Amino acid sequence: QVVESGGGLVQRGGSLRLSCTASGFTFSHYGMTWVRQAPGKGLEWVATVKQDGNDKYYVDSVKGRFTISRDNAKNSLYLEMNSLTADDTAVYFCAREVGLGSYGVGYYFDIWGQGTRVTVSS
Amino acid sequence: QSVLSQPPSASGTPGQTVTVSCSGTFSNIGSNTVNWYQHLPGTAPKLLIYSNNQRPLGVPERFSGSKSGTSASLAISELQSEDETDYYCSAWDDSLNAWVFGGGTKLTVL
Repeated sequence: QVVESGGGLVQRGGSLRLSCTASGFTFSHYGMTWVRQAPGKGLEWVATVKQDGNDKYYVDSVKGRFTISRDNAKNSLYLEMNSLTADDTAVYFCAREVGLGSYGVGYYFDIWGQGTRVTVSS
Repeated sequence: QSVLSQPPSASGTPGQTVTVSCSGTFSNIGSNTVNWYQHLPGTAPKLLIYSNNQRPLGVPERFSGSKSGTSASLAISELQSEDETDYYCSAWDDSLNAWVFGGGTKLTVL
């Protein structure tokens, strides 16, 4: 399973660090992802980090502001969020990515957490 | 505006079959596999279908997926009241270098 933490209320322009702790599987063998859902909106992919922590992908709207990272020794995934705006208000989910071979073919998110809520106030 | 297009709503009566469509482009659905997630707001999203038509262990056979060209579909047969929730399609987009989701379809069981 995966369990998110670190959400809360933050002022516009502020920063927040989300964490996701994994258990029950070999964390270092899997890519990990953050997905968010803003109030009344659908799911939106935020960022993915590959197994070794070197390959990272971000949605355009968070590039330069968010940083995804992981600590395989601690079975933990992080999302450092800076320069937060009201558009970042959402529930943030951590998910495990499964797949081998050509990226995008046969890849999917199979284990999800309950989410942690981030509210950016103006 | 989501990269993948889904109808915002769908409905059916118990026992019926309902289909949810997902339309994309060559760079996402046309080049990669499609996954479907079931999400009851306030809970963890659940993987429903992966790699176009594969069901994870524990997902009933009532749920099936298909893909043709740049479109995909989720079919739910023998509709039950517990199926009333939100459904999302997703795929990797080679041009955007990003995962993309559909806007979600809210299924109502009448």
